[in-house]
Amino acid sequence: DAGITQSPRHKVTETGTPVTLRCHQTENHRYMYWYRQDPGHGLRLIHYSYGVKDTDKGEVSDGYSVSRSKTEDFLLTLESATSSQTSVYFCAIGGRGLTEAFFGQGTRLTVV
Amino acid sequence: KNEVEQSPQNLTAQEGEFITINCSYSVGISALHWLQQHPGGGIVSLFMLSSGKKKHGRLIATINIQEKHSSLHITASHPRDSAVYICAVRGNTDKLIFGTGTRLQVFP
Repeated sequence: DAGITQSPRHKVTETGTPVTLRCHQTENHRYMYWYRQDPGHGLRLIHYSYGVKDTDKGEVSDGYSVSRSKTEDFLLTLESATSSQTSVYFCAIGGRGLTEAFFGQGTRLTVV
Repeated sequence: KNEVEQSPQNLTAQEGEFITINCSYSVGISALHWLQQHPGGGIVSLFMLSSGKKKHGRLIATINIQEKHSSLHITASHPRDSAVYICAVRGNTDKLIFGTGTRLQVFP
């Protein structure tokens, strides 16, 4: 298995609170991605990173920010969580365009 | 209309049956991925295709670039094949576009 771990695996938080999800890799991949998965939708890209301090927005980036200060860590922050951000979040690593697609186990976030 | 459509959305089968899951897409692509997601959430990459056909064990994936269509076949299905199968395409923007998945249940 590729060395990619997400934390926490489950979280319940209140509307308006900040939340940070962490993705940690031991594979030294340049590209890292954050997706959300919701019923009736395919995985949707939130943000991605193509190197330390190099990030870009995906299709559903509103309300989210990311940071990548080290190759191995990619953080996703919900500045002020809303109920619409209740979802399962997946981190992925790989080469450009995910030629090698490795996914984390997912984080189930519930905003109440 | 989604850029990546999968069919069927849900599929049930008896153990041993031959299974086909279809993926159609409407954008130009450089590659197509088939992924598997088991209950509990982990997503595993099964195949990446840019042309032709690939086989791994009981799984076979094919792609027809001209028709913008791919199929995933499972021969001699088994209950452990029960999962959600996801098609994703890598377009010219170099990002992946995902289908909504096909939920497969194989009964003994």
